[in-house]
Amino acid sequence: QKEVEQNSGPLSVPEGAIASLNCTYSDRGSQSFFWYRQYSGKSPELIMSIYSNGDKEDGRFTAQLNKASQYVSLLIRDSQPSDSATYLCAVNMRGNNRLAFGKGNQVVVIP
Amino acid sequence: GAVVSQHPSWVICKSGTSVKIECRSLDFQATTMFWYRQFPKQSLMLMATSNEGSKATYEQGVEKDKFLINHASLTLSTLTVTSAHPEDSSFYICSARWVNTEAFFGQGTRLTVV
Repeated sequence: QKEVEQNSGPLSVPEGAIASLNCTYSDRGSQSFFWYRQYSGKSPELIMSIYSNGDKEDGRFTAQLNKASQYVSLLIRDSQPSDSATYLCAVNMRGNNRLAFGKGNQVVVIP
Repeated sequence: GAVVSQHPSWVICKSGTSVKIECRSLDFQATTMFWYRQFPKQSLMLMATSNEGSKATYEQGVEKDKFLINHASLTLSTLTVTSAHPEDSSFYICSARWVNTEAFFGQGTRLTVV
């Protein structure tokens, strides 16, 4: 099992809709979880951090964490064309201070 | 968020020469810095992890003698690509973090070896 998995293929959503991204992880002891956004040709930028079970909202973004199911998700409400990017899930691996990244999900918001 | 500055943003070098890339954390002390490589339309590939004052830990398949990493202070890490070849052309990105907090990325360096 991969450390962090993001299995969905490219996601196309109409402008104004909700984009939903999912991520699972293998290390049950992980405590810190992050979502990054990467525009084409640019480096990733941090958009959300979450450490506790439940929901965390920041503007149009909501991160959801369920440690029992080893599952992290990101919701983007009122999607805008500027949200078109690749979204990377990252999990802090217990014991070695390393961030494990998923392969990313490409989101395309259609005007 | 915190600021990580990477320099240069792009570099073109001749085959066989060496290139040094700097990564600086400007407003926090980075206990750990990471170096990644990313080819077009592919995901981030972790090359190595460096902790301040220690030797870097390289991922499997990454040649430590070719990609020299130095993390001499809590704010600076360098990656030197030695004897660069065209296949080393890629987008190199550093990130930095304090202990187990979130990591912040530099702007990336686009290396082209001709």
